[in-house]
Amino acid sequence: QSALTQPPSASGSPGQSLTISCTGTSSDVGGYNYVSWYQQHPGKAPKLMIYEVSKRPSGVPDRFSGSKSGNTASLTVSGLQAEDEADYYCSSYAGTKRVFGGGTKLTVL
Amino acid sequence: QVQLVESGGGLVKPGGSLRLSCAASGFTFSDYYMTWIRQAPGKGLEWVSCITDGGDSIYYADSVKGRFTISRDNPKNALYLEMNSLRVEDTAVYYCATENWGTPLHWGRGTLVTVSS
Repeated sequence: QSALTQPPSASGSPGQSLTISCTGTSSDVGGYNYVSWYQQHPGKAPKLMIYEVSKRPSGVPDRFSGSKSGNTASLTVSGLQAEDEADYYCSSYAGTKRVFGGGTKLTVL
Repeated sequence: QVQLVESGGGLVKPGGSLRLSCAASGFTFSDYYMTWIRQAPGKGLEWVSCITDGGDSIYYADSVKGRFTISRDNPKNALYLEMNSLRVEDTAVYYCATENWGTPLHWGRGTLVTVSS
């Protein structure tokens, strides 16, 4: 199972909005509404930010939102804050497999 | 609250074996699928294996199939990963996580496995 494709880096200024894409295939992202997004700060475990394409766990700010169109999922961060600077990974259910994206390093300028 | 604590990592030579454990608490362990995910130093996340709530179905990434074995002990609230024929490329932090519909939910802090001669 190939990894999902994410841009290696993204950046934005405080207060701006930014979108990170995650492209897969009809066997993973396009085939199921089980795409999730994780935030990882250096030296820490990943934290679930979005599940089932667009749902937010309790405690995750509503500045974070998710969507999907075809084989591509997206994570949008609105009103960027300094603490949003981290690595972000997408993940998808793929039947008997699970697959992650390569990760996107988000820099807040 | 959900707590997952991995243990068993360490330094092992290529071709060697290691058994990782994950102690779960704060939730009904037997209600959840469980999964292992790893992260090589400076690299991204890689799904390794998952096991259904009752342990009756098991899935592996192609990269570890035939070498790694996942298991669970529901009465002991424990998840395991038996790793054999270890390779240098298996060097990573190994995380255990609860899972729902292929979505890793709660993660442990991870345990580092280093495969080196």
